[in-house]
Amino acid sequence: EDKVVQSPLSLVVHEGDTVTLNCSYEVTNFRSLLWYKQEKKAPTFLFMLTSSGIEKKSGRLSSILDKKELFSILNITATQTGDSAIYLCAVEVYNFNKFYFGSGTKLNVKP
Amino acid sequence: EAQVTQNPRYLITVTGKKLTVTCSQNMNHEYMSWYRQDPGLGLRQIYYSMNVEVTDKGDVPEGYKVSRKEKRNFPLILESPSPNQTSLYFCASSSGSPSYEQYFGPGTRLTVT
Repeated sequence: EDKVVQSPLSLVVHEGDTVTLNCSYEVTNFRSLLWYKQEKKAPTFLFMLTSSGIEKKSGRLSSILDKKELFSILNITATQTGDSAIYLCAVEVYNFNKFYFGSGTKLNVKP
Repeated sequence: EAQVTQNPRYLITVTGKKLTVTCSQNMNHEYMSWYRQDPGLGLRQIYYSMNVEVTDKGDVPEGYKVSRKEKRNFPLILESPSPNQTSLYFCASSSGSPSYEQYFGPGTRLTVT
């Protein structure tokens, strides 16, 4: 059975802290892994990863994929209250456009 | 403005009364999907479509139907809604290669009593 597992389920940090969110997966015919941020509305795209070991970076956020160990991490440095959200990991398989999502990590950044 | 729209945004209905949630995108995207989101379960894919007249089941298709007669529209049909279909529903679209970044609609909150 294909599955995506995120950890931790929730996290509370203070502004300025660095956090690491985890996503592990077991799927057949892996194609890509995507990270999304969801505030009180629809998810918004952060990163798409297809190759192992290549870091994607956007400002204070970065992500990397390990296809051998079947996981990805999302790092957020110097966290701000605006980073408070649910972070979703999704894996696409080779049926194109077929996705499996994890249950998300709820991040709460306190001032 | 590039966007995915869904209607209605909120709906309260009764068991067994057929309903349709519409989804439309203006980006000429080939790929479209429907998801439901329930607390603690993340997003689960209901159906997806690779192009006009090409659809396939996602993870949780039971109780739902879809159609893709035009590229821009991908309605979700609940023929006989039941309370366990109470959920937050998202439609999404993407262009496909090289990036499968999905653009999500604003969501439809459905309550079935």
